[in-house]
Amino acid sequence: KQEVTQIPAALSVPEGENLVLNCSFTDSAIYNLQWFRQDPGKGLTSLLLIQSSQREQTSGRLNASLDKSSGRSTLYIAASQPGDSATYLCAVDWGTSGSRLTFGEGTQLTVNP
Amino acid sequence: NAGVTQTPKFQVLKTGQSMTLQCAQDMNHNSMYWYRQDPGMGLRLIYYSASEGTTDKGEVPNGYNVSRLNKREFSLRLESAAPSQTSVYFCASKPAGYYNEQFFGPGTRLTVL
Repeated sequence: KQEVTQIPAALSVPEGENLVLNCSFTDSAIYNLQWFRQDPGKGLTSLLLIQSSQREQTSGRLNASLDKSSGRSTLYIAASQPGDSATYLCAVDWGTSGSRLTFGEGTQLTVNP
Repeated sequence: NAGVTQTPKFQVLKTGQSMTLQCAQDMNHNSMYWYRQDPGMGLRLIYYSASEGTTDKGEVPNGYNVSRLNKREFSLRLESAAPSQTSVYFCASKPAGYYNEQFFGPGTRLTVL
């Protein structure tokens, strides 16, 4: 079964720390992987999408990497800020009909001032 | 552009009542999706529409029906609501092509008593 796992479920760090969020998936034959941010009571905001042929993508202080052979992706956040506090979700498209996404359960990040 | 819009934002139903959740996108996207988000279970796909005129079941379709009214609108109907359908419902859309992001609406919080 194709599954996506995110560990840890929650993470608390002091402001300014560099941090890594993890995402693992069971089948390496992915088409793309997408990282989202979700604030409490809100919808999902797309952060980065990595295509299967890419190793990493960067946007500002965010860097997402992809290692298909090991079934892993990481989201690196540099110089974390309290405004980064949110739940971060990764989702995988295995190229099924309709480009359906399979989501992990997310990592709830708290950045303390 | 408003992006993906959903109505209503909140709804309380009694068991057995019916209702329709509305979703519209103004980005000329081909594909549209309905997900539900429950604590401890992440986001799960209910139904999707890969293109105008087509709809298909996702992971958890039981108790729901959908209509792709036109390219812009994709509605989700609960014919006889049950407490197990208490959840937050998200609509999403995506342009054609494998390597494009999904964009999400703000969600509808539904409680079934």
